[in-house]
Amino acid sequence: SQQGEEDPQALSIQEGENATMNCSYKTSINNLQWYRQNSGRGLVHLILIRSNEREKHSGRLRVTLDTSKKSSSLLITASRAADTASYFCATDEGGTSYGKLTFGQGTILTVHP
Amino acid sequence: SQTIHQWPATLVQPVGSPLSLECTVEGTSNPNLYWYRQAAGRGLQLLFYSVGIGQISSEVPQNLSASRPQDRQFILSSKKLLLSDSGFYLCAWSFLFSGTFSYEQYFGPGTRLTVT
Repeated sequence: SQQGEEDPQALSIQEGENATMNCSYKTSINNLQWYRQNSGRGLVHLILIRSNEREKHSGRLRVTLDTSKKSSSLLITASRAADTASYFCATDEGGTSYGKLTFGQGTILTVHP
Repeated sequence: SQTIHQWPATLVQPVGSPLSLECTVEGTSNPNLYWYRQAAGRGLQLLFYSVGIGQISSEVPQNLSASRPQDRQFILSSKKLLLSDSGFYLCAWSFLFSGTFSYEQYFGPGTRLTVT
């Protein structure tokens, strides 16, 4: 089953603008991860935030996690045309899950030059 | 550094034919291995995962099976393909033991399967 649900399903912005994507999930988690997928390619890991963290940065990426609301957001600042891709959140429930991830349906981001 | 390979890149197979997709990982030992299917470019569905040679766990009942004959080799198979098996198949690996118990996954390039 798909635990993570991304919002919006599609986002279209101009180069230089910020892009914000949201993810909601249903069960308790050990960590939440964000991945990017260029069309027809494999997924690339972007950032991981643990359940005891509230915010994390990596370059132009900023991720927040609110475990009380079971939600996360990914902010891409100063977007570029090369950021055009699908973005997925994935949750790791921890315990004996052996690193199994449950992926959301993704947000399709289009950045216009 | 670690790399993950999948082949073939694309495959067109008739309904009822067998299937074998292969995934290999280089540069690491004892990885966790995963098979996912992605339909229509959205959402990944975990099919199988493995924590060691010969250890396979199935997440979704279906006509697919998986095997791990070697430490860094993961194979997805079917005896008879269905139309509904069409999709984008992705293999991934993660470290078996993570000191932080946080498992980032590293994906292969995928195999596009079309069942006709």
